[in-house]
Amino acid sequence: KQEVTQIPAALSVPEGENLVLNCSFTDSAIYNLQWFRQDPGKGLTSLLLIQSSQREQTSGRLNASLDKSSGRSTLYIAASQPGDSATYLCAVQHPPDGSARQLTFGSGTQLTVLP
Amino acid sequence: DVKVTQSSRYLVKRTGEKVFLECVQDMDHENMFWYRQDPGLGLRLIYFSYDVKMKEKGDIPEGYSVSREKKERFSLILESASTNQTSMYLCASRQHWGQPQHFGDGTRLSIL
Repeated sequence: KQEVTQIPAALSVPEGENLVLNCSFTDSAIYNLQWFRQDPGKGLTSLLLIQSSQREQTSGRLNASLDKSSGRSTLYIAASQPGDSATYLCAVQHPPDGSARQLTFGSGTQLTVLP
Repeated sequence: DVKVTQSSRYLVKRTGEKVFLECVQDMDHENMFWYRQDPGLGLRLIYFSYDVKMKEKGDIPEGYSVSREKKERFSLILESASTNQTSMYLCASRQHWGQPQHFGDGTRLSIL
């Protein structure tokens, strides 16, 4: 059974720092990996989706990388801002073989960017 | 932009009541999902639907049912609400398998 882990559970950084959030998964046979942001009391906002054949995806100050063979993904946030404060979750999608057809989520990293 | 709308942000019900949570998406997505999110347990899939009138159980379907009569609408039903169903409920949709999931703002449900 796929397990997705995000360490650390919480992270606090001063404004302007570049930072990396980590996501690891136990079964490397994934189809894609998606990063989400969740603000307190709200739903999830999709940030980036990386296909298993890709190494990275970029959107603005965000860059997500994927190393499928080692079971890892990272989300890099450049020049962090207080508005980046949120919980960041990763989720893996398996191939459509019927064994695990939906997303498996990590428990998230709660990021606080201090002014 | 994809818009997934959940009918209520906050809801308070009593034990034993039948509770309906509604979700509507405006992008003609084929797949729709209901999750619940609890501290320490993360997101857990309750039910999903690949298409109209089709539904499949997720990881924790007990005590819930769903209805998808129209493509844009996916309803979650608590047949007889219990206090252990107090939670944040999140609806999501996607165009088809392998595409990004898009979430609504969630419904925080309290069962008293």
